[in-house]
Amino acid sequence: GDKVKQSPSALSLQEGTNSALRCNFSIAATTVQWFLQNPRGSLINLFYLVPGTKENGRLKSAFDSKESYSTLHIRDAQLEDSGTYFCAAEGAGGNNKLTFGQGTVLSVIP
Amino acid sequence: NAGVIQTPRHKVTGKGQEATLWCEPISGHSAVFWYRQTIVQGLEFLTYFRNQAPIDDSGMPKERFSAQMPNQSHSTLKIQSTQPQDSAVYLCASSLDGNTLYFGEGSRLIVV
Repeated sequence: GDKVKQSPSALSLQEGTNSALRCNFSIAATTVQWFLQNPRGSLINLFYLVPGTKENGRLKSAFDSKESYSTLHIRDAQLEDSGTYFCAAEGAGGNNKLTFGQGTVLSVIP
Repeated sequence: NAGVIQTPRHKVTGKGQEATLWCEPISGHSAVFWYRQTIVQGLEFLTYFRNQAPIDDSGMPKERFSAQMPNQSHSTLKIQSTQPQDSAVYLCASSLDGNTLYFGEGSRLIVV
């Protein structure tokens, strides 16, 4: 099965609303990174997390290693937030190798 | 800072030919990673260098694929005898400390 499972697979949000994306891990994740892939294909790093939470503007992310999940909260969604969001986990081997989820396609509509 | 630079952005190659992809990491970054992205498999780890030394190539297909980092300013991924299933976007990333990854825009390889 998927070692990193993201949900939902797709999401449509009205501009100005809030939502949350989630990743569940079946590996012993030690760190988590969240990325946004824009229409050009670039993967933009949003967060690097050890267990705990981080916030940056309208984005907030949490990583709970004991419960094996991470979340990404988007507040006051804007059109430019549209794209594919990926979470990626580093396993317990500490080799910096990331295992990616399949992504959440987010569409923000006016 | 120009970010991670990958060339070419697009490459079409005939089945059986060789393809070489280049990556210039962010200046000062000691770790370089290669990933591959396809619709079916998603994002897959290929290989990882630290301070130019190969650390982990567990994701590399054992035949036909090779990666090198001859100096701190570039890495190459070479695919010999390309096959249609090699068609993918090949992504290079660099990291200052092996933690936060910064990706390039990728090289889209199409094997016909």
